[in-house]
Amino acid sequence: DAGVTQSPTHLIKTRGQQVTLRCSPISGHKSVSWYQQVLGQGPQFIFQYYEKEERGRGNFPDRFSARQFPNYSSELNVNALLLGDSALYLCASSSGFGGAGYETQYFGPGTRLLVL
Amino acid sequence: DAKTTQPTSMDCAEGRAANLPCNHSTISGNEYVYWYRQIHSQGPQYIIHGLKNNETNEMASLIITEDRKSSTLILPHATLRDTAVYYCIVRVRSNTGKLIFGQGTTLQVKP
Repeated sequence: DAGVTQSPTHLIKTRGQQVTLRCSPISGHKSVSWYQQVLGQGPQFIFQYYEKEERGRGNFPDRFSARQFPNYSSELNVNALLLGDSALYLCASSSGFGGAGYETQYFGPGTRLLVL
Repeated sequence: DAKTTQPTSMDCAEGRAANLPCNHSTISGNEYVYWYRQIHSQGPQYIIHGLKNNETNEMASLIITEDRKSSTLILPHATLRDTAVYYCIVRVRSNTGKLIFGQGTTLQVKP
């Protein structure tokens, strides 16, 4: 069975540009979450979408936005890129939204973004 | 959200059991303990989770103390491929499924 897939694997952008990252969840999973991992730190939660609705948002500026499509795939958009946005962006999927605490999240390989 | 405390780093000899501790003294009764690991530059890999009973799967065993204030992840026969950062996460029941990662434990398996 295919796991969580993300595209592209690597990306180089310049300051001020915009970027779109894509995620396809495990088949049958309806929830997608996005995380940012800066070098040397643990992943930080950005967004969660469940059934195409935003269920949670981390402490990130409005330059970060996301959406989920009817097939449960998701896009993460970042506008007006800053050097500090350079990071590994991770997508995770789960069957439920996680409210009960036991729905396991499975992570994709990530997209490595470098902002110059 | 309950906070976890893990040692920054640990070494283990190849073929020996690796025991990774985690303190979560403020855990509530309905909060699950999750373990993930992250091999360099890859996405975190789910290992195991539990609520109050000990759990075992093909990757590892999870031992949770009776008071639930700490747990230990056991890799029974560590290999070089188990070298990774191991994250212990307490998962609260909420309106979101967000995971809160700490710094984790860097496990170095040595030949």
